Amino acid sequence: EAQVTQNPRYLITVTGKKLTVTCSQNMNHEYMSWYRQDPGLGLRQIYYSMNVEVTDKGDVPEGYKVSRKEKRNFPLILESPSPNQTSLYFCASRTSGRGDGELFFGEGSRLTVL
Amino acid sequence: LAKTTQPISMDSYEGQEVNITCSHNNIATNDYITWYQQFPSQGPRFIIQGYKTKVTNEVASLFIPADRKSSTLSLPRVSLSDTAVYYCLVVDDYKLSFGAGTTVTVRA
Repeated sequence: EAQVTQNPRYLITVTGKKLTVTCSQNMNHEYMSWYRQDPGLGLRQIYYSMNVEVTDKGDVPEGYKVSRKEKRNFPLILESPSPNQTSLYFCASRTSGRGDGELFFGEGSRLTVL
Repeated sequence: LAKTTQPISMDSYEGQEVNITCSHNNIATNDYITWYQQFPSQGPRFIIQGYKTKVTNEVASLFIPADRKSSTLSLPRVSLSDTAVYYCLVVDDYKLSFGAGTTVTVRA
């Protein structure tokens, strides 16, 4: 089954404790992206990756890091989480970034930073 | 990044047709117009995509006028399960931002 898998689905952590949210896709997609969703703000893009070893900032990259060492994986790293990073996070992938084609989303990771 | 504008919310009743219009005045020549649906606590799901004129699939139709500065998503005969947030997206580079979307509420 074609899917995007995120882990963990739920996490409560404390300020400053580094954490990683993993994302994996099994569709051989070149493009992957991370979003955060907050009430009334829709989905805002954090980082995206056009292919292995190629990443770039989205609209709200502050406080986050990413890496793309393999095509299927695109982890989101919070080096020193703060309460304003409490949010619902989605990973998505697509065949490529440009033109037509649909984004496939993971089920989301709800993060709470105390 | 082509900016899109769509209504914040719309109400409807079961069996009615719902039309959501999205404005994208700065759309570029190579851009496609894509609509997604999102239910609470789930990731958005692709509904339909088009470049110009009209596109129809099993769940919706997408109308795009010749100037492509707007598009209208049409949901025929909605049911309670169509209550969701609908996002209009215009892709002009790798930055795929969704905005706040339109919350559609279908009532019995």
